[in-house]
Amino acid sequence: AQSVAQPEDQVNVAEGNPLTVKCTYSVSGNPYLFWYVQYPNRGLQFLLKYITGDNLVKGSYGFEAEFNKSQTSFHLKKPSALVSDSALYFCAVRAPPTYNQGGKLIFGQGTELSVKP
Amino acid sequence: DAGITQSPRYKITETGRQVTLMCHQTWSHSYMFWYRQDLGHGLRLIYYSAAADITDKGEVPDGYVVSRSKTENFPLTLESATRSQTSVYFCASSEGLSGYEQYFGPGTRLTVT
Repeated sequence: AQSVAQPEDQVNVAEGNPLTVKCTYSVSGNPYLFWYVQYPNRGLQFLLKYITGDNLVKGSYGFEAEFNKSQTSFHLKKPSALVSDSALYFCAVRAPPTYNQGGKLIFGQGTELSVKP
Repeated sequence: DAGITQSPRYKITETGRQVTLMCHQTWSHSYMFWYRQDLGHGLRLIYYSAAADITDKGEVPDGYVVSRSKTENFPLTLESATRSQTSVYFCASSEGLSGYEQYFGPGTRLTVT
């Protein structure tokens, strides 16, 4: 069965410092990987995705993520954090449609990012 | 450009009552989804729909019913609400399934007393 794990419930970063939000996955076949952000009392917003190609994916608001097949990871990164980046971040994985439960998006439990001035 | 909307945004109901949560999207996306968000569980898929009149169960479908008579609407009904269904419900849509990002509505906070 496919699954995704976000090992940190909370990440604290000082403004201006680089940030990393971790995500590991387990899926049959080649994974489709996504990052979403949720601000308080709002729906999820798409940040970026990896389907195929370059392992470093660039997304919205200066975020990027690196796909590492050997470590089954897809960590979200940003070189310089902003206070406005404070939010709940979700990693999600989708198995190819040929596999059981393929096509359906499975979310991690979320990581609360707090950026302090 | 309304995108995807949900109504109501907040709802309090009593155990045993029927409740319907509405979802409407203006993009003509084929796929629509219903998730619930609970602390410690992230988002879990309740039902999804590939097109009008085509629906399928997700991870936690028990106690819920969906329909999709029109492409743009995807209502979720709790036939007899229970306290365990107290949650925040999100509707989402996407152009396709694999490889396509989903666009989420603002959510409905449902409290069952």
